[in-house]
Amino acid sequence: DTEVTQTPKHLVMGMTNKKSLKCEQHMGHRAMYWYKQKAKKPPELMFVYSYEKLSINESVPSRFSPECPNSSLLNLHLHALQPEDSALYLCASSQDKGQGPANYGYTFGSGTRLTVV
Amino acid sequence: SQQGEEDPQALSIQEGENATMNCSYKTSINNLQWYRQNSGRGLVHLILIRSNEREKHSGRLRVTLDTSKKSSSLLITASRAADTASYFCATDSGDSSYKLIFGSGTRLLVRP
Repeated sequence: DTEVTQTPKHLVMGMTNKKSLKCEQHMGHRAMYWYKQKAKKPPELMFVYSYEKLSINESVPSRFSPECPNSSLLNLHLHALQPEDSALYLCASSQDKGQGPANYGYTFGSGTRLTVV
Repeated sequence: SQQGEEDPQALSIQEGENATMNCSYKTSINNLQWYRQNSGRGLVHLILIRSNEREKHSGRLRVTLDTSKKSSSLLITASRAADTASYFCATDSGDSSYKLIFGSGTRLLVRP
């Protein structure tokens, strides 16, 4: 299995809703990531997990809450989002060995297209 | 934060022609990677070149890296309509081996 699977593919939520994005991989990768991408812009790093521990939070607002229950799963819990949070949310994974995960190619999921109304 | 700038921002070529995209970055790096993204979908890893390498090939792709100029180029030879996509360079951030930061991207259109 060489894929990262993200669900759902599309999500529309109101500003008072609570929802979760899910990401799963079975490649044995020990680093997992959340990126946010706005239209015609590059992906922006949000969170990095290494061996199920949060390594990097790029000053993301607390209405986004990541969770890594085990080495195969990564969740992003959403609460009280704003319309400007509408974007494509991408999950990725990579190896995490001696040189650090950014020294390996990432495998990306196809993303969740989130619309906040 | 954005590490790399790419040019051109957009490129339109005829099928069969070669496409060249350039990436410049700001800080010292351990490696530079190139990714392709088809419209609104996930990114696909194309190639990784390490800071001690100058050139790397993969099929119709050729990547060069000039660390003295802090720049890289991606050449796609004999382009096909299926190569139509956005192409991003990405580097580690220099001060962290946990961050992969993407450049601004080049939108490539290959006309049949």
